Amino acid sequence: AQTVTQSQPEMSVQEAETVTLSCTYDTSESDYYLFWYKQPPSRQMILVIRQEAYKQQNATENRFSVNFQKAAKSFSLKISDSQLGDAAMYFCALYTGTASKLTFGTGTRLQVTL
Amino acid sequence: KAGVTQTPRYLIKTRGQQVTLSCSPISGHRSVSWYQQTPGQGLQFLFEYFSETQRNKGNFPGRFSGRQFSNSRSEMNVSTLELGDSALYLCASSTGQVAYNEQFFGPGTRLTVL
Repeated sequence: AQTVTQSQPEMSVQEAETVTLSCTYDTSESDYYLFWYKQPPSRQMILVIRQEAYKQQNATENRFSVNFQKAAKSFSLKISDSQLGDAAMYFCALYTGTASKLTFGTGTRLQVTL
Repeated sequence: KAGVTQTPRYLIKTRGQQVTLSCSPISGHRSVSWYQQTPGQGLQFLFEYFSETQRNKGNFPGRFSGRQFSNSRSEMNVSTLELGDSALYLCASSTGQVAYNEQFFGPGTRLTVL
């Protein structure tokens, strides 16, 4: 079985500051993919960033980057220069070919303040 | 390219009734996955269809069923509705490649069971 744990139900960050959302996971697979999804209020879920487990280099997408620690099974998301539009629920998700499905964490609600 | 569409967006039913939700994937995508999102249980995988065949199934009772048509559109049916079935039902489409399965989500159908 695979699990994803997000231990921060809520986080707050000031506009233009940096925030890091935590995620740990567990899987017995050696080949898997990790994702961060963003779900704004009453809007659909969109992919923020993805990481292939076989890649050692941390993924980066503009202001979003990850810190992927494979041995520790940790996958945190860093948002730099936070903007009001970043306010949303953020879900960490794991995909393995064996399970052939996304397993989601419980989410972190990010609030961005002026 | 049009995104994933789901109809209806909102639905109110009473206990014991049955309901059918529809999902149209991105053009060219052959896989459709369904997820149930509730405040208590979070995002849980229901099932995945690929080329009209159920490829994977989550841990939901038999009241939850689905199908996929030759044009990749998918429907999900819930029979004998219970109060606990109230949720946001999300569908996600992908190309269907098992090794890497980036999923694009629709806006969801919010089902309320009274």
